[in-house]
Amino acid sequence: DQQVKQNSPSLSVQEGRISILNCDYTNSMFDYFLWYKKYPAEGPTFLISISSIKDKNEDGRFTVFLNKSAKHLSLHIVPSQPGDSAVYFCAASARNYGGSQGNLIFGKGTKLSVKP
Amino acid sequence: DGGITQSPKYLFRKEGQNVTLSCEQNLNHDAMYWYRQDPGQGLRLIYYSQIVNDFQKGDIAEGYSVSREKKESFPLTVTSAQKNPTAFYLCASTPYGAASEAFFGQGTRLTVV
Repeated sequence: DQQVKQNSPSLSVQEGRISILNCDYTNSMFDYFLWYKKYPAEGPTFLISISSIKDKNEDGRFTVFLNKSAKHLSLHIVPSQPGDSAVYFCAASARNYGGSQGNLIFGKGTKLSVKP
Repeated sequence: DGGITQSPKYLFRKEGQNVTLSCEQNLNHDAMYWYRQDPGQGLRLIYYSQIVNDFQKGDIAEGYSVSREKKESFPLTVTSAQKNPTAFYLCASTPYGAASEAFFGQGTRLTVV
């Protein structure tokens, strides 16, 4: 049973426009959420995170929004650039509960293609 | 430079053989993790270790074994009991006992021939 769901396997966006990647979760104990970016045959790199005490976190072109009541988060990339083309993974953990609850649970990823 | 090093990058194994994937980190992180990635799948947790000489099974531990004799090292052995070992394997570490921003290695692509 998937606790973290990324329902869109792929997304195509024009350069300069906004990319919106979505993620849903089912475990109400999750209190920390992260986005990772991954290129083929490489390890994921951390992009941005958000704690459950916030509803928005911004870092340059990347903004993550968290809607706790809907158990939904989204990553906005504005403006999108061809170099943003990669697979984006959403991850969540119940960090404050400690132990194995703090392990990261990953979604299946969304492949973003930004067209020049 | 600090980081996580996985070796080798590509590995071929004959059916029925055990093989060990290396993961070394010089970030002084306490916790280390092994994930497996298959096409169209997320990252699934195989094993994790929060301190030296201790490790726990993740969601798909069957057919795998690990050791954590040193803080810097967390090797993963893929045994002949693993029915579908061909995959991309990722090692990660975090600076705290629980998950934070995990740092990943570059991965090892294992192919069974």
